[in-house]
Amino acid sequence: QVQLQESGPGLVKPSGTLSLTCAVSGGSISSSNWWSWIRQPPGKGLEWIGEIYHSGSTNYNPSLKSRVTISVDKSKNQFSLKLSSVTAADTAVYYCARRVAVASNFDYWGQGTLVTVSS
Amino acid sequence: SYVLTQPPSVSVAPGQTARITCGGNNIGSKSVHWYQQKPGQAPVLVVYDDSDRPSGIPERFSGSNSGNTATLTISRVEAGDEADYYCQVWDSSSDHPYVFGTGTKVTVL
Repeated sequence: QVQLQESGPGLVKPSGTLSLTCAVSGGSISSSNWWSWIRQPPGKGLEWIGEIYHSGSTNYNPSLKSRVTISVDKSKNQFSLKLSSVTAADTAVYYCARRVAVASNFDYWGQGTLVTVSS
Repeated sequence: SYVLTQPPSVSVAPGQTARITCGGNNIGSKSVHWYQQKPGQAPVLVVYDDSDRPSGIPERFSGSNSGNTATLTISRVEAGDEADYYCQVWDSSSDHPYVFGTGTKVTVL
């Protein structure tokens, strides 16, 4: 059973950089899956941020692309998100999720972590 | 980018059938996935590729997709089905390929 666990600071200052890590257990990050970040502002819907393959290939949401970097660390079986120049609008629960390469749905999700942007 | 529209809320009595719609331009040509999200929890995939169920999801959850509307049907609704439900598609023609619907709150009366 694959498990994903997000970690990182729960509070980030405006104009700073949000940094989160997703640890993958119960399976290899080098398998045929894409690894995504998805966020959900309080009381709102889901927004896909971007994804990465173990090779390092990435796809990003165009609305966030200029501020987002997703990277993978195969030695630690984890992947990470960096979102720069954050504002209050970036306050959200951030989820990491898995997508099997031949599918277009997200079958495993982390529990999510709330990141608040505030001074 | 592609837009998916859901009704904000659906109310249903226990034992009855809830139908949640997801509207999008020619959505019938795409694979639609549905997620259930209970308060404070991560989304859970309940239907994928229009009408398939992941292991462990009750047969009470079913899906259909045609024309401009996809539908998630929950039969014999239970109190534990009260949650937010989101549809999702992959828009191959877009550089924003993973699109979620606006979400529907299902209330069990």
